[in-house]
Amino acid sequence: EEQVVESGGGLVQPGGSLRLSCVASGFTVNSKYMNWVRQPPGKGLEWVAVLFSGGSTYYADSVKGRFTITRDKSKNTVFLQMDSLRPEDTALYFCARQDGPFDLWGQGTMVSVSS
Amino acid sequence: DIVMTQSPDSLTVSLGERATIHCKSSQSLLYRSNNRNLLAWYQQRPGQPPKLLIFSASTRGFGVPDRFSGSGSGTDFTLTINNLQPEDVASYYCQQYYNDLPTFGGGTKVEIK
Repeated sequence: EEQVVESGGGLVQPGGSLRLSCVASGFTVNSKYMNWVRQPPGKGLEWVAVLFSGGSTYYADSVKGRFTITRDKSKNTVFLQMDSLRPEDTALYFCARQDGPFDLWGQGTMVSVSS
Repeated sequence: DIVMTQSPDSLTVSLGERATIHCKSSQSLLYRSNNRNLLAWYQQRPGQPPKLLIFSASTRGFGVPDRFSGSGSGTDFTLTINNLQPEDVASYYCQQYYNDLPTFGGGTKVEIK
């Protein structure tokens, strides 16, 4: 069965860092485009970052220069390194596979940025 | 960036009736090389991750009931839910995947009257 499972969320102070993980099973992460999408409590979906199968990356303006998306083929895992975190980064972070549209989503991992 | 604008923000519909949600993009989503509109609809039930409902503006995803239908082309799109069921209570989002920076509409919350 194909699935992605996120982990690594938690409570962090403003200015701090956190690394999220997305472990894939049933497919290889380097064969697909892999995305991170976030959802602040009670609000809508916001695309955050994408890692193409060829290795290129793109970021939303709101996180550019602070977040970095990478992958480890040996672990079949995609990561989101989040630095210089702000209160407005508080959200549920989803990992999503892209094959045209986003066809596979995880359950999400919650990130809270607060002092 | 392509801006996606959804309407209405919320919708209350009686069981068995029709719900209609609109989505407008700031530029055409018609990809000329394959004549497809690169527009998707997602359903997000409370406490759940989003689920792909419709892609290419009008193609239902795997296992999606045929009471869900998508239409439109270019910049104007519609999601129609016929014969609304209790399990359709959810938020619905449109998304463009035309370029490298996919964007979502603000969402429409559908409730039962």
